[in-house]
Amino acid sequence: AIQMTQSPSSLSASVGDRVTITCRASQDIRNDLGWYQQKPGKAPNLLIYAASSLQSGVPSRFSGSGSGTDFTLTISSLQPEDFATYYCLQDYNYPFTFGPGTKVDI
Amino acid sequence: EVQLLESGGGLVQPGGSLRLSCAASGFTFSNFGMSWVRQAAGKGLEWVSGISHSGGIISYGDSVKGRFAISRDNSKNTLYLQMNSLRAEDTAVYYCVRRSSGLDAFDIWGQGTMVTVSA
Repeated sequence: AIQMTQSPSSLSASVGDRVTITCRASQDIRNDLGWYQQKPGKAPNLLIYAASSLQSGVPSRFSGSGSGTDFTLTISSLQPEDFATYYCLQDYNYPFTFGPGTKVDI
Repeated sequence: EVQLLESGGGLVQPGGSLRLSCAASGFTFSNFGMSWVRQAAGKGLEWVSGISHSGGIISYGDSVKGRFAISRDNSKNTLYLQMNSLRAEDTAVYYCVRRSSGLDAFDIWGQGTMVTVSA
């Protein structure tokens, strides 16, 4: 199975900061990567699909980039409601695999 | 409104069985692949199993292969997960998830159902 790693595992930032989260795949997954936000006690929510496409309704401060094995999620100006855990997911092939998550504290 | 509603969770003894259901509404269920994703308390997300829109393609995560079985009934707009030989490490919230063919991503999530495996 493809292994996914994320860094950092957690971070603390201030409102207005630019935040970058990295996800790395153990093999080439083209651009078959999504980013999901999960708030405590809630189901995850799709932010980015196909590595860089913004899901409808998601604020434009979220962006994704990368292809192959290295990917990045960027929050251009952190807002209080962005306190959450962020997961990447490779859907290049089965079994799909999530990264371990990055917890963002405001 | 597009909605996924899981049911069937509960407390079961180790070695026991449980069947989860996921009722879909607000969209044409037979057009979408579906998956189950789980999350143990305080832990990350784990993809468990997936099934294509017709049921012709099925896959499982390594930790549940041979014990769990995913299925769907498109006439009833319902997804299932039959879980056998349950272990303590299967304790988690189980989410039913829609896979959008256009986005190739999990765009709709249920609220989750809790499964606890304990004596």
